[in-house]
Amino acid sequence: ELKVEQNPLFLSMQEGKNYTIYCNYSTTSDRLYWYRQDPGKSLESLFVLLSNGAVKQEGRLMASLDTKARLSTLHITAAVHDLSATYFCAVTGANSKLTFGKGITLSVRP
Amino acid sequence: DSGVTQTPKHLITATGQRVTLRCSPRSGDLSVYWYQQSLDQGLQFLIQYYNGEERAKGNILERFSAQQFPDLHSELNLSSLELGDSALYFCASRPQDTGELFFGEGSRLTVL
Repeated sequence: ELKVEQNPLFLSMQEGKNYTIYCNYSTTSDRLYWYRQDPGKSLESLFVLLSNGAVKQEGRLMASLDTKARLSTLHITAAVHDLSATYFCAVTGANSKLTFGKGITLSVRP
Repeated sequence: DSGVTQTPKHLITATGQRVTLRCSPRSGDLSVYWYQQSLDQGLQFLIQYYNGEERAKGNILERFSAQQFPDLHSELNLSSLELGDSALYFCASRPQDTGELFFGEGSRLTVL
């Protein structure tokens, strides 16, 4: 059974600093997704990573995928308050089912 | 706005009751997924339909059932409700079996 692990589960970030969060998964997959969720709200798609070595950037966020290591990283550059949210990664497994990690809650403090 | 519509947005009911949650996928999307999100269990996959047929099943209780209709909208039926069924239920759609999921705003169910 596909397992997706994210760490840390909670991260307090200082405004202006850089951080990296991680997503590991247990079985082979070439498709990984990052989503953002604000409290009580829906999940918003951030990135779709489709192949080994894929890198996508949007604003202060950059996501990359290493399928050999079964690892994706989400790098945050110069954190700002607006980035405070919960970030989920999800991996496609058997039957195209998308399995989500538990999410990482980011909190940006001044 | 993702284009996925879920109703109702909020629902409060009592234990033992039955509710139906409704989802209209994005125009043209054939796949519908249902997820349950609770504080202790995270985002749990319940069931997937593709063009009217059940495609995959996850951690869906026997008290829960779902279907996708010819017009591609889907309903999730929850019966004999228990306190632990209180959660946010999301529907998501995607065009085929690949690509990202687009999530609705969710239906928040509170069982008292």
